[in-house]
Amino acid sequence: GDSVTQMEGPVTLSEEAFLTINCTYTATGYPSLFWYVQYPGEGLQLLLKATKADDKGSNKGFEATYRKETTSFHLEKGSVQVSDSAVYFCALSELNRDDKIIFGKGTRLHILP
Amino acid sequence: DVKVTQSSRYLVKRTGEKVFLECVQDMDHENMFWYRQDPGLGLRLIYFSYDVKMKEKGDIPEGYSVSREKKERFSLILESASTNQTSMYLCASIGVFTWGYNEQFFGPGTRLTVL
Repeated sequence: GDSVTQMEGPVTLSEEAFLTINCTYTATGYPSLFWYVQYPGEGLQLLLKATKADDKGSNKGFEATYRKETTSFHLEKGSVQVSDSAVYFCALSELNRDDKIIFGKGTRLHILP
Repeated sequence: DVKVTQSSRYLVKRTGEKVFLECVQDMDHENMFWYRQDPGLGLRLIYFSYDVKMKEKGDIPEGYSVSREKKERFSLILESASTNQTSMYLCASIGVFTWGYNEQFFGPGTRLTVL
């Protein structure tokens, strides 16, 4: 079945460092790919998405490119801020009757001032 | 903006109590989901519903039931709460867009503690 694997955390970086959180997936069809973010004490929010190969999703300085050849959707940001501290979830979805989304286990990110 | 609301942010119950967690969405979405989130385990799907009065088991349905009497409301029921059901519970609904991708919208979560 479909699955998502993302790097385990926690990831600790200093402010203004470059961020990469790796995400790879397995899917039988052509999924849409998502990154969700969960700030402390809150639910999940969609951060960015990509619906087909080579699409780049971007939001709030974060980017991820849908790489079909490597089945990856790595999250990157050039200069992180303390306010980026959160848990990040990679996810995929294939349109079908139940529209389930498959989530990775999440990566906790700590940004030090 | 899509809004998914949950009835409580924090809840404390005793072992054996019956617990109701309510979720309401205002975007006329057909599909709704209940997850629990635990450290190191990520999100695990408990139940989902793709229509009124319809329900499907997710990955960990044991000890839970659900109710979908109206399209906008999806309730999670713990028939007899146990301490291993202490967790963060997240509700979500999904909108399927005409250009072919779907996005889940999440509520703020209910942190349930069972003593």
